[in-house]
Amino acid sequence: EDQVTQSPEALRLQEGESSSLNCSYTVSGLRGLFWYRQDPGKGPEFLFTLYSAGEEKEKERLKATLTKKESFLHITAPKPEDSATYLCAVNANAGKSTFGDGTTLTVKP
Amino acid sequence: EPEVTQTPSHQVTQMGQEVILRCVPISNHLYFYWYRQILGQKVEFLVSFYNNEISEKSEIFDDQFSVERPDGSNFTLKIRSTKLEDSAMYFCASSESQGWTEAFFGQGTRLTVV
Repeated sequence: EDQVTQSPEALRLQEGESSSLNCSYTVSGLRGLFWYRQDPGKGPEFLFTLYSAGEEKEKERLKATLTKKESFLHITAPKPEDSATYLCAVNANAGKSTFGDGTTLTVKP
Repeated sequence: EPEVTQTPSHQVTQMGQEVILRCVPISNHLYFYWYRQILGQKVEFLVSFYNNEISEKSEIFDDQFSVERPDGSNFTLKIRSTKLEDSAMYFCASSESQGWTEAFFGQGTRLTVV
């Protein structure tokens, strides 16, 4: 069974304080790893797709990396508007993605 | 920017009643999904749908659930006889390809069973 574990569960940062979120996974034959952002009461908003170990993607203050066992979402100089829950999901069997519990990020001004 | 739209945004229903949740996927997408998220819990896969048939479903998706694409634009989830434990946010998603490309999610329907 596919498993996704995200850590930490919650992260509080000061504005400008860079940090990383972790997503470790166990799947048989990874097809894709996805990062989403979710605001309270809203649907997941797509951020990145990573397909193979060594791959990196960047968007504004966010950078996602992938190894054979885990992915990191690096947040550089975060702003209060980056506060949200960040979800990691993996796809090994076509048609189904398995999500982690998420990391709730709070950035204080 | 294309988006997945869901209606209604909030549905309150009595236990045992039937509900239909509606979704309009992104127009050029071929794969459609329903996920749910119970308050405070993780997003859980329910079902995937392609070429007018279910391609995969989870253990949650039992005989009380059904999906349909009644026309060229809508995708629906029906719960025949709702239970209290069906209360959750239900998200529709769509993707261009199955699995290895990202799925785009709607804003969800909050279903409350009383």
